[in-house]
Amino acid sequence: DAGVIQSPRHEVTEMGQEVTLRCKPISGHDYLFWYRQTMMRGLELLIYFNNNVPIDDSGMPEDRFSAKMPNASFSTLKIQPSEPRDSAVYFCASSSPAGTDTQYFGPGTRLTVL
Amino acid sequence: AQSVTQLGSHVSVSEGALVLLRCNYSSSVPPYLFWYVQYPNQGLQLLLKYTSAATLVKGINGFEAEFKKSETSFHLTKPSAHMSDAAEYFCAVSVNFGNEKLTFGTGTRLTIIP
Repeated sequence: DAGVIQSPRHEVTEMGQEVTLRCKPISGHDYLFWYRQTMMRGLELLIYFNNNVPIDDSGMPEDRFSAKMPNASFSTLKIQPSEPRDSAVYFCASSSPAGTDTQYFGPGTRLTVL
Repeated sequence: AQSVTQLGSHVSVSEGALVLLRCNYSSSVPPYLFWYVQYPNQGLQLLLKYTSAATLVKGINGFEAEFKKSETSFHLTKPSAHMSDAAEYFCAVSVNFGNEKLTFGTGTRLTIIP
């Protein structure tokens, strides 16, 4: 299996621009998680889905952030408009429902907002 | 709510010495506990997990952890450090079986001294 795939790996944009991060979970996994990692705040859970349905979005910082999962093999995290404080590494992770609660992480997208 | 506390944000050990990374958890019900490792510019990778079977859990790369209910601890150890062990290590807890959500600690950065 290819593991969790994220694109792009690096994104540099200017303040005010729209940013879309993409994730393809491991085939057969029905949970998908979006995390943000910064030096100041560590690893934060933003939102997670089960069977393409958002279960908990309490970690989404504000309305500028939105996430979708149109099908079992694809999810997006969108920031509109972006701000410099959104600069971080964004991780996607997926897990199966076998009761193990083990999450498999993608390589991350490093976002820089100038 | 469940939580984990990692004692020591930075730990340095000499090559060949014992590695000990500390994690204490808080949970009102028996937890699942995890250790993940993050190498520079990569996503998190599962090292090992405790799911209420044997209290001593062996993971990859020679690491192991012992679940101690009386101490609410799940410390990570390795008898002999190798240069390749330099990374950031995260402890995580899950108590809501089936919803796959993990709560991560703040991480411990391990440095290996040649």
